[in-house]
Parts: sequence; C-alpha cells; structure tokens
Amino acid sequence: DADVTQTPRNRITKTGKRIMLECSQTKGHDRMYWYRQDPGLGLRLIYYSFDVKDINKGEISDGYSVSRQAQAKFSLSLESAIPNQTALYFCATSGSYQQDTQYFGPGTRLTVL
Amino acid sequence: AQKITQTQPGMFVQEKEAVTLDCTYDTSDPSYGLFWYKQPSSGEMIFLIYQGSYDQQNATEGRYSLNFQKARKSANLVISASQLGDSAMYFCAMREGLAGYGGGTSYGKLTFGQGTILTVHP
Repeated sequence: DADVTQTPRNRITKTGKRIMLECSQTKGHDRMYWYRQDPGLGLRLIYYSFDVKDINKGEISDGYSVSRQAQAKFSLSLESAIPNQTALYFCATSGSYQQDTQYFGPGTRLTVL
Repeated sequence: AQKITQTQPGMFVQEKEAVTLDCTYDTSDPSYGLFWYKQPSSGEMIFLIYQGSYDQQNATEGRYSLNFQKARKSANLVISASQLGDSAMYFCAMREGLAGYGGGTSYGKLTFGQGTILTVHP
C-alpha cells in the first residue's frame, strides 16, 4: 500500500462549488504539505503543517483552506472553486529530522469548469 | 528573484550515455538542502537524491549523482548509463534551513524549479 494517499485522484467540478481534497499518510510523519502544479511553473506551496496544531500559509494560499484532522490526515478545501484553480494538486509529508525529505502522494487532477 | 533556476527546458540523451541536468540556486541562508525529484508521465513525484549544504561529499544514489558546487551555487544532477525509463520531467528543489542548524528548526518549505524534460532515445 502507498505511504501517502490522496482522494479523489481526479475531479471535475463547476465554478462556485466547494470541494475538498484529502490526504492520508502511514509514514508516521509530523509534517504535511499541499502543493499545486501548473504547466511551466513547477510546484508551488499552498499550505503546510508541522503538527496538528501548527498550520501555515504557503506562497499561494488565497482561495484555499486546510484542516489537519490528525497527524495522518491533512485536507485541502476550495470554498468556491474558480477555473484558474484547475491544476494538479499534491500532498507531501516529511519527518522532522535533518534531511527532511518530502514524500509525495500520487496527486489529484482537479478541473474547474 | 528566482530561488531555483533550471535553464534547460528539454534535454535529449542516447540510451546508455550520461546526462547532466542543470540547477542553480540562490539563498543567503548558510543552511539549506537541495533535492531532485523525477516526475514520469504518470504524474507522481519520485524523490531521487539529496544534498545538504554542509555535506562534504557529493551525494550519490545508484546511477544518480549530484555535482554540488557551493561557491557557484549549482547542484547539477548527473544520470549515468541512461535508460529509456529515465524519460521524465526532473525538478530541482531547495529547502532553506536545516533541522539542528540556524536556531534548531527546519523551515520545511521546498521551492521548486520549473523542471527539465529529459528524453532518452534508444
């Protein structure tokens, strides 16, 4: 089984709809992250959480919110989806040790019509 | 200013040959980590190799090595003996701050370059 899972894997929604992307991990890591990937722009950080009570905005947090329900679960919400939020979304996790490598989930492809 | 720059949008290499993918970075933090990830056409992000700013040796992982030139602020990925399965997008990323340095906390956030598409020809 995958260490980092994301649901759904693909989603098509309409402008103005609320949508939640979920991430679960079995790596036992404290830190979790949400990124979006747009063609030609690499990955950009939306939100990150170093533990259940610590949530921080990344470089592109406007229009998004997150919830850290447990150490293993980190959800990303789009309260009112808009077409320019069409992207590939990744969840990642890392342990709080020196190398702190981030391990990514398989991604969620979101299309907002 | 761009923190991570990958100047090669696309690279081509013949199977079994070596290829170097370029990455330069910009930071004033003395403590940082550099990462390379591979993204095949299926879309997942696969961690390849890591280099810490205080590491004395260049990192190696199997056919991957990182040519770390600190003074030039470059961290090029070298893939030896290319295989058809190496065809993918490759991303360089940097994390400023290291756990245990700079106040004892790691900032955690990764900044990614725009990626290089590598195509391996048979």
